[in-house]
This record gives sequence, C-alpha cells and structure tokens, in this order.
Amino acid sequence: DTGVSQNPRHKITKRGQNVTFRCDPISEHNRLYWYRQTLGQGPEFLTYFQNEAQLEKSRLLSDRFSAERPKGSFSTLEIQRTEQGDSAMYLCASSARVQRGAEAFFGQGTRLTVV
Amino acid sequence: LAKTTQPISMDSYEGQEVNITCSHNNIATNDYITWYQQFPSQGPRFIIQGYKTKVTNEVASLFIPADRKSSTLSLPRVSLSDTAVYYCLVGDRVQAGTALIFGKGTTLSVSS
Repeated sequence: DTGVSQNPRHKITKRGQNVTFRCDPISEHNRLYWYRQTLGQGPEFLTYFQNEAQLEKSRLLSDRFSAERPKGSFSTLEIQRTEQGDSAMYLCASSARVQRGAEAFFGQGTRLTVV
Repeated sequence: LAKTTQPISMDSYEGQEVNITCSHNNIATNDYITWYQQFPSQGPRFIIQGYKTKVTNEVASLFIPADRKSSTLSLPRVSLSDTAVYYCLVGDRVQAGTALIFGKGTTLSVSS
C-alpha cells in the first residue's frame, strides 16, 4: 500500500468554475477526513466520513462544497462556483479504527489556485 | 475539545536537542496527546502519541507531567531535515475520528 493518494496534485481554475478532487485512502481504513490549509495556518477540518456515512461537517463547508464517499472507498470533494478565497491546499487523511488512537495518515494534498 | 498553545517559532542548530512545549490546560480524562510534523507542500505526518509520563520512539520522546496540562516534544540531535512545522493535538482516543483539530503549530528552523 502506498498510502493516501490525492489527485490532482495541482489545479488552477477560473473563478466561477467547478472543481472536483479525489482521495484514495489507505485500503481498509474506514475513516476519511478532508482538511483545508492556507499559507501559515494549520489544517482546518472540513468533514469526516466513517465508511460511506458523512458524520461531521464543519461550518467552513459552505453549500458550495460537497463531499461523497460512495461504497466507503475513495472520496471526492467538489467545490462549485469557485471563489478566490477557495485557493488553498486541500488535504485528505484516513485512519483505521481506534486501535492506534488519533493517528491519521495524510495525503500530499491538492493545491487549488483560483484565478 | 481541549485547546492547545505552543510557541509560534523556534530556532536551533544541528546536533542540538530541541524541546517544544504545548499547553493544554483543559485536557479531559479521555484525551490523548498527539504530535504531527509537516514539511512544506506535504501533508502532516504522525510523530508520537501519549497519555501520561513518557513515550519514546525512534524519532522523538514525549514527556507528560502528572497533571497532564502540558506536554513536551523532545527531538534529539536535530538535523537540517527536521526543519518543519510541529503540531500538538489533544483528543479523545475513542472519538478519534473527530478529534484532529490543528492549531498554528510551531515552526522549527534548524541551521548549520
């Protein structure tokens, strides 16, 4: 297993366009998280899945954002009508059940630039 | 969720031991303390986790006093490659799925 995989690594889009990111977690990890990180800040929690169920959403996740995890495997994060303020690194992480506590494995992220 | 406070930045030289302290005055009984490391343009990477006293692995040591209101990440003999941002997180192990709340972290700069 090569770890958490995110695609694309970089995305440049024009304001108002829709974008979709994909995250492939470590196999058999039932928990998947999405974070957003801007320069100089720590990762900000967006949403969390356990299997295919989306159990928690941050207030940062406006109605332009939607995340899915069909069949409890890969996940997608879609941003509709992108704004310049959406420019950030979008990180995905996965973890197994509680055996190892709060340890989560992060992907390399998708860097979004809205022009 | 317990809030954490850590220094914004620290400087060190190669070969020195670096200690980064994190305050978490409102830590709950079920909370564990976890440290992550992040390099530029990469996702955070788990370093170490503990509940009380001392934990050591091949990368670092974590010291937690009896009252658990603070913790210290110790990096022995740092090298230039240890230059990174270090995050202290506090959360409930049982509820681990919702416990990963990051602060601004401590930017460690190691010079030769």
